[in-house]
Amino acid sequence: KAGVTQTPRYLIKTRGQQVTLSCSPISGHRSVSWYQQTPGQGLQFLFEYFSETQRNKGNFPGRFSGRQFSNSRSEMNVSTLELGDSALYLCASTPGLLTGTLNTEAFFGQGTRLTVV
Amino acid sequence: AQSVAQPEDQVNVAEGNPLTVKCTYSVSGNPYLFWYVQYPNRGLQFLLKYITGDNLVKGSYGFEAEFNKSQTSFHLKKPSALVSDSALYFCAVRVPSNDYKLSFGAGTTVTVRA
Repeated sequence: KAGVTQTPRYLIKTRGQQVTLSCSPISGHRSVSWYQQTPGQGLQFLFEYFSETQRNKGNFPGRFSGRQFSNSRSEMNVSTLELGDSALYLCASTPGLLTGTLNTEAFFGQGTRLTVV
Repeated sequence: AQSVAQPEDQVNVAEGNPLTVKCTYSVSGNPYLFWYVQYPNRGLQFLLKYITGDNLVKGSYGFEAEFNKSQTSFHLKKPSALVSDSALYFCAVRVPSNDYKLSFGAGTTVTVRA
């Protein structure tokens, strides 16, 4: 079974630009979550999607957005990039149904390393 | 609100010695607890979880963890550490309410010296 796939692995963007990151979950998984990892803030939850609907959202500004497609693939978008957005962005997938999400481990992709210059 | 604390930024042990990585949590309700490991420039790999039942949980690569409800702790242990166990370890909690997110601790860097 293929794992969680994130593309691209590395990105370099300029302040003010926007960026789109992609995540393909494990086949059959319908829930996709996004996390931001930085040395200073650790792992911070961005949002979670299930069946194309955002179910939960972390405390990030509106510049951070996401969506999920009917095949469960997800994208996250960051607009008007700031230097502080430089981070490793991790995507995780779980089956998605209530009991299948809460007591099931999340499977993580290798992440997208975003550098804003 | 749920939170997780990993009181040690770094843990250093000699190969062959026991390894312990500490984790305490604060939640309202019964928690689901997880341990993950991260190697440089990689995503998180699942090690083990506590959902219910036996307080001692065994996981991958010889790791185990003990759930202690009275002390709200979930410490990760390995009886005999290997150099290859050197990595960043995260404790995470999820509360079975309507909140699907994982809340992570700050992480503990483990260094096992040969």
